[in-house]
Amino acid sequence: LAKTTQPISMDSYEGQEVNITCSHNNIATNDYITWYQQFPSQGPRFIIQGYKTKVTNEVASLFIPADRKSSTLSLPRVSLSDTAVYYCLVADSNSGYSTLTFGKGTMLLVSP
Amino acid sequence: DADVTQTPRNRITKTGKRIMLECSQTKGHDRMYWYRQDPGLGLRLIYYSFDVKDINKGEISDGYSVSRQAQAKFSLSLESAIPNQTALYFCATSDLGPSGGVTGEQFFGPGTRLTVL
Repeated sequence: LAKTTQPISMDSYEGQEVNITCSHNNIATNDYITWYQQFPSQGPRFIIQGYKTKVTNEVASLFIPADRKSSTLSLPRVSLSDTAVYYCLVADSNSGYSTLTFGKGTMLLVSP
Repeated sequence: DADVTQTPRNRITKTGKRIMLECSQTKGHDRMYWYRQDPGLGLRLIYYSFDVKDINKGEISDGYSVSRQAQAKFSLSLESAIPNQTALYFCATSDLGPSGGVTGEQFFGPGTRLTVL
């Protein structure tokens, strides 16, 4: 199975930029990297997806280097409501057409 | 109405009982997934289905079975529940990924909290 590695937790303050990095081996050539956000007792929710270089939407940016072995989710000017667990998701090319592997997630705590 | 619904939302059962968790979706997606979530372990894939005739094992399929009754319905069964199957279970659906890969945006249901005594 592919391994994804994220920091277990991060702390930040309101208004700061937060960068969460995920390392992923053996990502399939045609697959994308996807980040999700999860609040307690809710299902994960899609944040952003990219293949390489940089992707930006209304809530986040995603930076992916040329080798695609890692990705960094960037949350600009976080607020208290951004306190959640963040997961990166990649496919596992070692298992053929794929076992979806979520990272264990990063618990982001935003303080006033 | 929610796009992905799960029933029941909560269930307490005893060891050895057969349990079925149901998932329905109105997204019109062909792809459906079952995950379980345990504290500190993130989400782990149990089974997935890319269309009505397709069923695939995920990372932790032992002790579970699934049925894809229709495009919109995907059920997860525990034939003989055991306490270490106590967890939060999520169903999800997706379309194809941007290049046909598996990482299309997934839409998750609200979850079923299962307790096996």
